[in-house]
Amino acid sequence: AQRVTQPEKLLSVFKGAPVELKCNYSYSGSPELFWYVQYSRQRLQLLLRHISRESIKGFTADLNKGETSFHLKKPFAQEEDSAMYYCALKDGSDKLIFGTGTRLQVFP
Amino acid sequence: EAGVVQSPRYKIIEKKQPVAFWCNPISGHNTLYWYRQNLGQGPELLIRYENEEAVDDSQLPKDRFSAERLKGVDSTLKIQPAELGDSAVYLCASSPLGVAGNNEQFFGPGTRLTVL
Repeated sequence: AQRVTQPEKLLSVFKGAPVELKCNYSYSGSPELFWYVQYSRQRLQLLLRHISRESIKGFTADLNKGETSFHLKKPFAQEEDSAMYYCALKDGSDKLIFGTGTRLQVFP
Repeated sequence: EAGVVQSPRYKIIEKKQPVAFWCNPISGHNTLYWYRQNLGQGPELLIRYENEEAVDDSQLPKDRFSAERLKGVDSTLKIQPAELGDSAVYLCASSPLGVAGNNEQFFGPGTRLTVL
């Protein structure tokens, strides 16, 4: 079955600390993976996708097919990074399957 | 540009009452999605439209939920009758193309439904 697992509901760090939000997936085909972010009082928006292999707002994510993971990383967290982060997988039918989300809190 | 527009933003009803949500996608986006997000969960797809055709409604509880997208633009999602378990945020999203291509889904602000 297709599934996205985000094991941490809450991740709290201090400003300047490294951040890693974990995401594991289960999918039989070749997955497309995404990270979506929802800042307070804002709508859900795309942060980055694995195909682009880009860094957005200092965040990167590498697809590891061997470990079926797509962890989101940032070397130095900022207070404005505080938000809900959702990992998502797109199946062959263009359907997005979301994880349960991780709330990142960055303290000053 | 306003992005995806949804209304109402909040709705409180009693169980067994009907309710409807409206979505206006980004101009030119022919693919429209309705998701339901329960508390503490990620969004789950209910139905996907390409133009006016529902191409994936496998997750839509058809006994009480219905949706339409007349003329391939605006869409309405209806629940009749609502049950306590329908309390959730209903999200609408749109994207410019169908299956082909890496097309970003743009989300609306959602409608928060509370069923008492």
